Amino acid sequence: AQSVTQLDSHVSVSEGTPVLLRCNYSSSYSPSLFWYVQHPNKGLQLLLKYTSAATLVKGINGFEAEFKKSETSFHLTKPSAHMSDAAEYFCVVSDLAGGSYIPTFGRGTSLIVHP
Amino acid sequence: EPEVTQTPSHQVTQMGQEVILRCVPISNHLYFYWYRQILGQKVEFLVSFYNNEISEKSEIFDDQFSVERPDGSNFTLKIRSTKLEDSAMYFCASSGGTGHTGELFFGEGSRLTVL
Repeated sequence: AQSVTQLDSHVSVSEGTPVLLRCNYSSSYSPSLFWYVQHPNKGLQLLLKYTSAATLVKGINGFEAEFKKSETSFHLTKPSAHMSDAAEYFCVVSDLAGGSYIPTFGRGTSLIVHP
Repeated sequence: EPEVTQTPSHQVTQMGQEVILRCVPISNHLYFYWYRQILGQKVEFLVSFYNNEISEKSEIFDDQFSVERPDGSNFTLKIRSTKLEDSAMYFCASSGGTGHTGELFFGEGSRLTVL
């Protein structure tokens, strides 16, 4: 069975400093991995995705993530945080176990950005 | 750009009442999902639907819940007799167009408040 662990429930950074949101996954198959962002009272927006192509994936708003199979990780980074990045971030793993994709969400990491 | 739409955006209901949440998935997608998010908690998988039948469901998706695709465009979630603990944001998602990778496209969500 697939699973995903987001190691931090909250991450607090100052504006202009780097962001690191950690995600580890477990999957018996070659997984697809995603990061979604949820701003307050909004829906879920795809930030970026890994689907067995390049291991370093670039997404929207300057975010990127690197798929590391040896570490079963898919950490999300951004060189310089902006106030508008404050939101909830979800790491999602999805594989074809059972013959269909059933994406599984991590618990989420709340990113707090201080001025 | 095609998108998933959900109605209503917010519904308030009395405990014991039936509720139907509606979703219009992206037109060429084949897989449909319902997720829910209780306030402050993780996004939880409820059910997936493919080829006009349920393909997977979670433990949360008990006999009080049902889904159907009545007319080839809408995808509905029915809660037969709502309980206080059903209060949550319900997200519909679709996937499975050309080059299916497991990426989900989410609607903005329907917030259900049970009094």
